[in-house]
Amino acid sequence: EPEVTQTPSHQVTQMGQEVILRCVPISNHLYFYWYRQILGQKVEFLVSFYNNEISEKSEIFDDQFSVERPDGSNFTLKIRSTKLEDSAMYFCASSPGAGDRGYTFGSGTRLTVV
Amino acid sequence: GDSVTQMEGPVTLSEEAFLTINCTYTATGYPSLFWYVQYPGEGLQLLLKATKADDKGSNKGFEATYRKETTSFHLEKGSVQVSDSAVYFCALYGGATNKLIFGTGTLLAVQP
Repeated sequence: EPEVTQTPSHQVTQMGQEVILRCVPISNHLYFYWYRQILGQKVEFLVSFYNNEISEKSEIFDDQFSVERPDGSNFTLKIRSTKLEDSAMYFCASSPGAGDRGYTFGSGTRLTVV
Repeated sequence: GDSVTQMEGPVTLSEEAFLTINCTYTATGYPSLFWYVQYPGEGLQLLLKATKADDKGSNKGFEATYRKETTSFHLEKGSVQVSDSAVYFCALYGGATNKLIFGTGTLLAVQP
């Protein structure tokens, strides 16, 4: 069964450093997403991406964050100048089209900012 | 805005016990409702869904019924197994935007 793959599974970074979280969506999917879950809190939507541009973003997704699809397979989330409160589990997801059908999540990257 | 509220965990049960995890929602319009499960070390997996009022989603012995009158989508299983130990997330998809709105998740621990 096709999977969404995320790397690394766990990343530790120092406060103020930049991190890039990587995702390989399912190959024929057109919509890509990032969500995050701070420990003990809700899974929160960050951003959706379609046709090489952001289609929607949440209030959380400020100038510190950016997304990119640098080639035909990868979808990345960059966090500039990380803060302690960026520590969370970050989930990538993809879907074949608009709507909830086929929405598939990766296993997540646990980011720890120290 | 749209939101999902689910019961806090952890929920600890003995094997073969009956499980209920409560979930209620607030939404404009008629959302689709979901239960996702996250096993240790794995991603979010769709467990079941319901797209309209009175629909019942079911999978792996789990069931949930879309109750519009009570804005609820409670997850039930008649006899849990140790392998059901995981975190369960209730979620809605409102259709106006292409995002899922999740509850906080409920940790289920089943003891032999």
